[in-house]
Amino acid sequence: EIVLTQSPATLSLSPGERATLSCRASQSVRRLLAWYQQKPGQAPRLLIYDASNRATGIPARFSGSGSETDFTLTISSLEPEDFAVYYCQQRRDWPLTFGGGTKVEIK
Amino acid sequence: QLQLQESGPGLVKPSETLSLTCTVSGGSIGSTSFYWGWIRQPPGKGLEWIGSIYYSGNAYYNPSLKSRVNISVDTSTNQFSLKLRSVTAADSAVYYCARHVVELRPLDAFDVWGQGTMVTVSS
Repeated sequence: EIVLTQSPATLSLSPGERATLSCRASQSVRRLLAWYQQKPGQAPRLLIYDASNRATGIPARFSGSGSETDFTLTISSLEPEDFAVYYCQQRRDWPLTFGGGTKVEIK
Repeated sequence: QLQLQESGPGLVKPSETLSLTCTVSGGSIGSTSFYWGWIRQPPGKGLEWIGSIYYSGNAYYNPSLKSRVNISVDTSTNQFSLKLRSVTAADSAVYYCARHVVELRPLDAFDVWGQGTMVTVSS
């Protein structure tokens, strides 16, 4: 099973600041990695798929990069609605696995 | 607009079978080539993929749950279902149904999600 490790566990930032979230895979997933945003009481929302492709309707301030084992989700300038938990997910191999999440909280 | 809705009992006794259904509206399971999946999330914890199914019935399961899980599909009612046998308190979670992003791709991300339903395992 491919294990995804996200860091940091919590990121404390202010609106307008840049957020950089990391996801590291235990083995290469090529570029087959997705990012989701989840707010309390809501289902996850797909932000990025295949490392760098924004999903439909996702604002340009969200961007993804990386390949093989190291990936980054960047939020260029945090909006109030961006404070949430973010998960990565690999689709390189079975079983599909998710990272443990990074909480982006208001500083 | 495609929508997914989970339904089923919110309380299940230990050792019994958890049964949930996902109803798809705004699109047809049988006339497209997407895989459809179940994902769960224990309270305060992360996400775990349970399994995914194609309209033909071809299914993939998480090995950690495979011995207890069955996912089925009914194209006539536009629903797919989850059964998890011999549940324990560790199976208490919010259960989500979701659609894979790309047709004919079982190894995939999920782009349309149901709102989720909380299932508690307790006597």
